[in-house]
Amino acid sequence: DADVTQTPRNRITKTGKRIMLECSQTKGHDRMYWYRQDPGLGLRLIYYSFDVKDINKGEISDGYSVSRQAQAKFSLSLESAIPNQTALYFCATMDRVNEQFFGPGTRLTVL
Amino acid sequence: AQSVTQPDIHITVSEGASLELRCNYSYGATPYLFWYVQSPGQGLQLLLKYFSGDTLVQGIKGFEAEFKRSQSSFNLRKPSVHWSDAAEYFCAVVGGTGGFKTIFGAGTRLFVKA
Repeated sequence: DADVTQTPRNRITKTGKRIMLECSQTKGHDRMYWYRQDPGLGLRLIYYSFDVKDINKGEISDGYSVSRQAQAKFSLSLESAIPNQTALYFCATMDRVNEQFFGPGTRLTVL
Repeated sequence: AQSVTQPDIHITVSEGASLELRCNYSYGATPYLFWYVQSPGQGLQLLLKYFSGDTLVQGIKGFEAEFKRSQSSFNLRKPSVHWSDAAEYFCAVVGGTGGFKTIFGAGTRLFVKA
């Protein structure tokens, strides 16, 4: 079984809809992250969390929110999706020596 | 601010040829340095990492990287490329004022021709 899982893997939605992307991990890591990937821009950090009570904004948090329901679960929400949020989204954990472990990604299309 | 630069957006090499992907970083001290690889449709996977000690580090799939403090570089190399190495490669740093956040380069896409 994968250590970091994401659901859904693909999602097509319409402008203005609320969307939730879910992430679960079995690695036992406290640190969890949400990134978006756009061609030519690498990965950009949306939000990160060091435990259930510690949530921090990344460089591109506008239009997004997160919830850390448990050590193993970290969800990303788009309250009102817009077309420029069309991207590939990755959840990741980080271990004690700063290595990141990535989920398979969610491809989101906002029409 | 910390940054990572990968000067080459894409590189094409022949199968069996050697490969070097460049990475430069801006940082006030020695950061934690990483190379990740992303195959099409996949998440990122760690190739190798450097924290301290020997400046030449070995990774998976026959890759190696050399940390050069004087040049603020951490270039990735492979002596003989295989067709399965075609992917996108990301250099990354963690530490310093960025705390426990990873700063990624924009990536270099590797194409391998027969």
